[in-house]
Amino acid sequence: QQQVKQSPQSLIVQKGGISIINCAYENTAFDYFPWYQQFPGKGPALLIAIRPDVSEKKEGRFTISFNKSAKQFSLHIMDSQPGDSATYFCAAPWRDQTGANNLFFGTGTRLTVIP
Amino acid sequence: EAGVTQFPSHSVIEKGQTVTLRCDPISGHDNLYWYRRVMGKEIKFLLHFVKESKQDESGMPNNRFLAERTGGTYSTLKVQPAELEDSGVYFCASSQFRGGDYTFGSGTRLTVV
Repeated sequence: QQQVKQSPQSLIVQKGGISIINCAYENTAFDYFPWYQQFPGKGPALLIAIRPDVSEKKEGRFTISFNKSAKQFSLHIMDSQPGDSATYFCAAPWRDQTGANNLFFGTGTRLTVIP
Repeated sequence: EAGVTQFPSHSVIEKGQTVTLRCDPISGHDNLYWYRRVMGKEIKFLLHFVKESKQDESGMPNNRFLAERTGGTYSTLKVQPAELEDSGVYFCASSQFRGGDYTFGSGTRLTVV
């Protein structure tokens, strides 16, 4: 069972446009929602993250919008650039009292920004 | 600081053979994780080490997979014998604190033919 559902699978945006990637989750115990960016041949790298006590977090051209009641969060890339072309993963961590913790990832969105 | 290093970057092996993947975490990071991405699917958790101890190996697919982290430094993930469905990209990540942000390696792309 997939813990974090991500859409769309792929996205093509013109340079200067807005890219929007959506994620939904079920487990209300999740308390941190990171987005990872992965370029070909590289590992995922943390891009931006949000905690559920705020509805929005902005870092430069990247914004996370968080809707706790709907259990959804989205990544918005403003003024998209060709250099933003990458695969984006949403994620949520799971941890328990034994100290075990890991990340549940979405299936990824391949973003292509056309010059 | 040096990042997380994985070796090899690519491996092509025949079904039934053995392959060993290696991960060198960031120095001082006690937490080391293995993940796998099968093509087009999500990145899935395999296991978590804290120093040399396995904290959680609930994601390991079956007993053909063996992970070790002797001395709490580098880790190896052995697949023996490899099957076709083991193909994918294997990522290693490390973090200083549990629940802290991960640093991922570039991954090992394993192809079983």
